[in-house]
Amino acid sequence: GDSVTQMEGPVTLSEEACLTINCTYTATGYPSLFWYVQYPGEGLQLLLKATKADDKGSNKGFEATYRKETTSFHLEKGSVQVSDSAVYFCALHPGGAGSYQLTFGKGTKLSVIP
Amino acid sequence: GAGVSQSPSNKVTEKGKDVELRCDPISGHTALYWYRQSLGQGLEFLIYFQGNSAPDKSGLPSDRFSAERTGGSVSTLTIQRTQQEDSAVYLCASSLGLSGDTQYFGPGTRLTVL
Repeated sequence: GDSVTQMEGPVTLSEEACLTINCTYTATGYPSLFWYVQYPGEGLQLLLKATKADDKGSNKGFEATYRKETTSFHLEKGSVQVSDSAVYFCALHPGGAGSYQLTFGKGTKLSVIP
Repeated sequence: GAGVSQSPSNKVTEKGKDVELRCDPISGHTALYWYRQSLGQGLEFLIYFQGNSAPDKSGLPSDRFSAERTGGSVSTLTIQRTQQEDSAVYLCASSLGLSGDTQYFGPGTRLTVL
């Protein structure tokens, strides 16, 4: 079945440091890929998405590129802020007909310190 | 516009009691999903509704769990004879029901079974 593997946390960075959270996936067909973010005490919010190979999703300074050859969708940000402290989830949404439930990675907790 | 809403936000119950959790999806969204977020298991898919089609119940962990969706809108997740391992945050999401589309999540219901 489909699966998503993302780097284990927690990750602690100083403000303005570079961030990379690795995410790889296993899926049949042509999935869409997502990063969701969960800020402390809040629900899941879509951060960015990519629906086909070589697409780059971006939002709030975060980027991720859908790499079919390496089955990866790594999340990057050049300069993190304290307000980026949250749990980040990589997810995939299967292509083709049928159920469209998301398969999530286990989440990576990011703490950014001033 | 209004997002996905869930009620109650918190529910504390005694082992063996039944609980009902409610979800109001975004207006016009034909697809509705229930997920469970727990410390040990991460985010797990429970059940999916799409329009008037039979729901995909493949993620329900036991026959104590059931869900219905009335009139293609509001959904209720029912857990009978609750157990301590049912303690988790129950998340509802809705989407347009198209391949690759974005799922929008509600704030969740935190269930604690004593």
